[in-house]
Amino acid sequence: EAGVTQSPTHLIKTRGQQATLRCSPISGHTSVYWYQQALGLGLQFLLWYDEGEERNRGNFPPRFSGRQFPNYSSELNVNALELEDSALYLCASRVGTANYGYTFGSGTRLTVV
Amino acid sequence: RKEVEQDPGPFNVPEGATVAFNCTYSNSASQSFFWYRQDCRKEPKLLMSVYSSGNEDGRFTAQLNRASQYISLLIRDSKLSDSATYLCVVNDPNAGKSTFGDGTTLTVKP
Repeated sequence: EAGVTQSPTHLIKTRGQQATLRCSPISGHTSVYWYQQALGLGLQFLLWYDEGEERNRGNFPPRFSGRQFPNYSSELNVNALELEDSALYLCASRVGTANYGYTFGSGTRLTVV
Repeated sequence: RKEVEQDPGPFNVPEGATVAFNCTYSNSASQSFFWYRQDCRKEPKLLMSVYSSGNEDGRFTAQLNRASQYISLLIRDSKLSDSATYLCVVNDPNAGKSTFGDGTTLTVKP
């Protein structure tokens, strides 16, 4: 069974540009979660999508947005990039309820220069 | 105050040692709990769920105390391969998300 896949692995952007990160959950998982992990820091919750809808978002500005497609894959968009957006962006999926743990993808490492 | 707080670490222990990590959480509505392991520059991987009755998986034992809002992880007979950052994770079903602690770094030395 394929795990959670993310692309690209690495992304280098200039300040002010837009970045698009992609995620495909494990087959059968309808929920996708996005987290940001800046270097040396903990995971910060960004967004939760389920059945194509945004269900919750963390304490991030509106320039962080995304969507979930009918096949449950997801896209995270970061507009007007700032240097402090440089981080590892992790996507996770899990079976239905909150009683199960996440399976993470290997992440996209975004560098803003 | 952070929602999930962990021992600051780092923990540096010799092979074969027993080491314990502690974690406290502030959201009493939390319903499920986990420990994850994260290797340097890699994604976190689920180590084990944590139940009130306590649960064991080989050398690893996890414990939950709901009254004290406290979670623990015990590693016995540490191996070099146990060196990693251990993340305490708490699920809030109402918010539909997991909150991660900042992690405790373990280094096991020969």
